[in-house]
Amino acid sequence: GENVEQHPSTLSVQEGDSAVIKCTYSDSASNYFPWYKQELGKRPQLIIDIRSNVGEKKDQRIAVTLNKTAKHFSLHITETQPEDSAVYFCAASGNNNAGNMLTFGGGTRLMVKP
Amino acid sequence: NAGVTQTPKFQVLKTGQSMTLQCAQDMNHNSMYWYRQDPGMGLRLIYYSASEGTTDKGEVPNGYNVSRLNKREFSLRLESAAPSQTSVYFCASSEDRLNSPLHFGNGTRLTVT
Repeated sequence: GENVEQHPSTLSVQEGDSAVIKCTYSDSASNYFPWYKQELGKRPQLIIDIRSNVGEKKDQRIAVTLNKTAKHFSLHITETQPEDSAVYFCAASGNNNAGNMLTFGGGTRLMVKP
Repeated sequence: NAGVTQTPKFQVLKTGQSMTLQCAQDMNHNSMYWYRQDPGMGLRLIYYSASEGTTDKGEVPNGYNVSRLNKREFSLRLESAAPSQTSVYFCASSEDRLNSPLHFGNGTRLTVT
């Protein structure tokens, strides 16, 4: 099955700096890569996703890049703000008949210091 | 439109007790899921239901059972709770098409003593 590794486990940045979180996956058939943000005590919420036919996707201060050859994808947050502080999860999903079978990374705790 | 609703929010059980976690979605999604979240281990899939009338095991199904009661509702049952099942449980749903975003409920924090 799919295995997703996420690094770093914790990341501390100064407000205004950029943050980068990286994930690797094992199943070359995976073709959907979402990122979720989870604030303390809250549910995970989708912030951006990318499919395998696209190499990069941006949404305001957030971007995701995908390298299918190397089987890794990354989340980039620019001009970080204190409200970006949360745990971020990457995930990868293969194409199968059972629906959306996501495998999650272990999470990255991002702390943005004002 | 409430999205995905889970009950209860908190629960404390003694070892060996049973309970059912309830989940309902009002987005007309076909697929529903139960995940558990433990510190440092991300979200792990317990069971899922690709469509009404079907259920399948995920990554960590032992000690759990599920019921897809109808299109809206998907329940998770612990028949004999164990301390290892202390966790935060999330229900989620997604649209019919493959590889669509998950919508999560607010979670149930379960402690087994």
